Amino acid sequence: QVQLQQSGPGLVKPSQTLSLTCAISGDSVSNNRAAWNWIRQSPSRGLEWLGRTYYRSKLYNDYALSVRSRITINPDTSKNQFSLQLNSVTPEDTAVYYCARDEAPHSGRFDYWGQGTLVTVSS
Amino acid sequence: DIQMTQSPSTLSASVGDRVTITCRASQSITTWLAWYQQKPGKAPNLLISKASTLESGVPSTFSGSGSGTEFTLTISSLQPDDFATYYCQQYHTFPWTFGQGTKVEIK
Repeated sequence: QVQLQQSGPGLVKPSQTLSLTCAISGDSVSNNRAAWNWIRQSPSRGLEWLGRTYYRSKLYNDYALSVRSRITINPDTSKNQFSLQLNSVTPEDTAVYYCARDEAPHSGRFDYWGQGTLVTVSS
Repeated sequence: DIQMTQSPSTLSASVGDRVTITCRASQSITTWLAWYQQKPGKAPNLLISKASTLESGVPSTFSGSGSGTEFTLTISSLQPDDFATYYCQQYHTFPWTFGQGTKVEIK
């Protein structure tokens, strides 16, 4: 059974960097069939896919256009986890952030989710 | 991006009712559609993938159908545990996108 455990601060000041980590158990961040995603949810934007990291012989990353200039998602194979960094945050980045897995052949279908982290951007 | 539009936004129903939620895509996604159930304070939970394939452990009262641009999620007999918000999501074309949700509430 795959489990995803999120950690990170719930309050970030405007213009600073939002950082979250998702620890994986029951699977490996280097699984060549899986992708590791970050998704957020807010009343104004609904559920919004932000980006993913995955290995297919080498490392790949894909990011949503809306955050592409500010986002980095990195795997950490030594700790079997992956992280989200979102720079230059504004109050519009206030949301519940989820990590989630998808796996080929159903790439894009999110079968396991983290518990969610409410991140508030406020001074 | 592909726009996913759900209707209705809110649905009031009673235990035992048959409930249908519609999801429309702004362009064809063949059958690359998933349905999720979300309860307050929890992450979405995958119910159906490939438009009509029930995930393991999901009650058979749930079913999905459709292809192309129009899809439905049906609950054949609403149970107390089914009052929640339901989301569709396309995974045909990058970036993956979600509908805005349908809240099923007690009548």
